[in-house]
Amino acid sequence: GAGVSQTPSNKVTEKGKYVELRCDPISGHTALYWYRQSLGQGPEFLIYFQGTGAADDSGLPNDRFFAVRPEGSVSTLKIQRTERGDSAVYLCASSPGQGAYGYTFGSGTRLTVV
Amino acid sequence: GENVEQHPSTLSVQEGDSAVIKCTYSDSASNYFPWYKQELGKRPQLIIDIRSNVGEKKDQRIAVTLNKTAKHFSLHITETQPEDSAVYFCAATGGYQKVTFGTGTKLQVIP
Repeated sequence: GAGVSQTPSNKVTEKGKYVELRCDPISGHTALYWYRQSLGQGPEFLIYFQGTGAADDSGLPNDRFFAVRPEGSVSTLKIQRTERGDSAVYLCASSPGQGAYGYTFGSGTRLTVV
Repeated sequence: GENVEQHPSTLSVQEGDSAVIKCTYSDSASNYFPWYKQELGKRPQLIIDIRSNVGEKKDQRIAVTLNKTAKHFSLHITETQPEDSAVYFCAATGGYQKVTFGTGTKLQVIP
């Protein structure tokens, strides 16, 4: 595709529910990152994929958060038992090579837990 | 892990003046330093980046300087325009690792 696509753009869910956020990277990009951005803050690293494998998942806050990238393209961030503190914009970025050089962000998914 | 500090948190300048945003990082292994501009409600967009093998890079009205010894890098915007108003984030990474972002600088250019 022309850019990094994230769906849905907005998601409102009730506390305790399960949500999935999808990221469709630029075609051919091997590196994919997930970030979380709270209001007035910089993006906070969650997880980094190189191909199908998670090269670094040290930013996932707890075991309620999980992400997959089974075919090395589309990635899904999964959040179980959502809490109000999970409310944020979840950003995805992809880059053509190994690592972060010149990567491009998607428009994000605004998650609101009520 | 890497820690990036960014100053100031807010910056107001008159149109036509220069703006400077400064960042420091902690991990000497970091070798790639991108800068992002984020307008309200939009995605961060890469505006300029610098690698550790150069000390300065310029692109029209925007320049970035890097001092590896002191572990600090700065963004310089000259001849500011109202459309430069946004939040700017610096970041640092070893390239093949996660990117650590600063806390952002809200720049307001007053016409």
